Amino acid sequence: DAGVIQSPRHEVTEMGQEVTLRCKPISGHNSLFWYRQTMMRGLELLIYFNNNVPIDDSGMPEDRFSAKMPNASFSTLKIQPSEPRDSAVYFCASSPAGGLGDTQYFGPGTRLTVL
Amino acid sequence: AQKITQTQPGMFVQEKEAVTLDCTYDTSDQSYGLFWYKQPSSGEMIFLIYQGSYDEQNATEGRYSLNFQKARKSANLVISASQLGDSAMYFCAICRTGNQFYFGTGTSLTVIP
Repeated sequence: DAGVIQSPRHEVTEMGQEVTLRCKPISGHNSLFWYRQTMMRGLELLIYFNNNVPIDDSGMPEDRFSAKMPNASFSTLKIQPSEPRDSAVYFCASSPAGGLGDTQYFGPGTRLTVL
Repeated sequence: AQKITQTQPGMFVQEKEAVTLDCTYDTSDQSYGLFWYKQPSSGEMIFLIYQGSYDEQNATEGRYSLNFQKARKSANLVISASQLGDSAMYFCAICRTGNQFYFGTGTSLTVIP
């Protein structure tokens, strides 16, 4: 079975440009998560969806970040305008039902560099 | 607030030896889940093992076992018979109701031939 798919794998952009990261969760999984990983702050949860509905976006750093999940098989994380401090690895993860013991399965990540 | 502490930024182990990676947590929840993930240099996050707060037996998955001490709020990962491919970052995470994961800062493990 295919795991979580993320695209692009690498993105290099200039400050001020719009960046869109994409994620396809594992088929049948009802929960989707976006994380950001940096050396300074480690792994941070940005937002998570349950049944396509955003449940908690308290981790979204600021209004420049937005996330959508238009259907069960697709989600986007958009940064507009991007800044150098947004440079990080962005992970998408999905889990089956959102229960306490549900394992989150991670995608390969998107390494974003903002110049 | 949930907090995960991994006090060992770096660990070394001889190949074929066992190693314990420490993890302590702080939560007021009665029900929670504890997870360990491995992140090799290639960057992906790989699920290793899960322990529920009400599980009385320590979880085991192959060479991985979780030494769960609920009263001490610790969930240490034990890797037996270390292999060179075990060299990676290891993250402990706690999951509370609502499926929110909180990760520790990780421990870098290096297996020495």
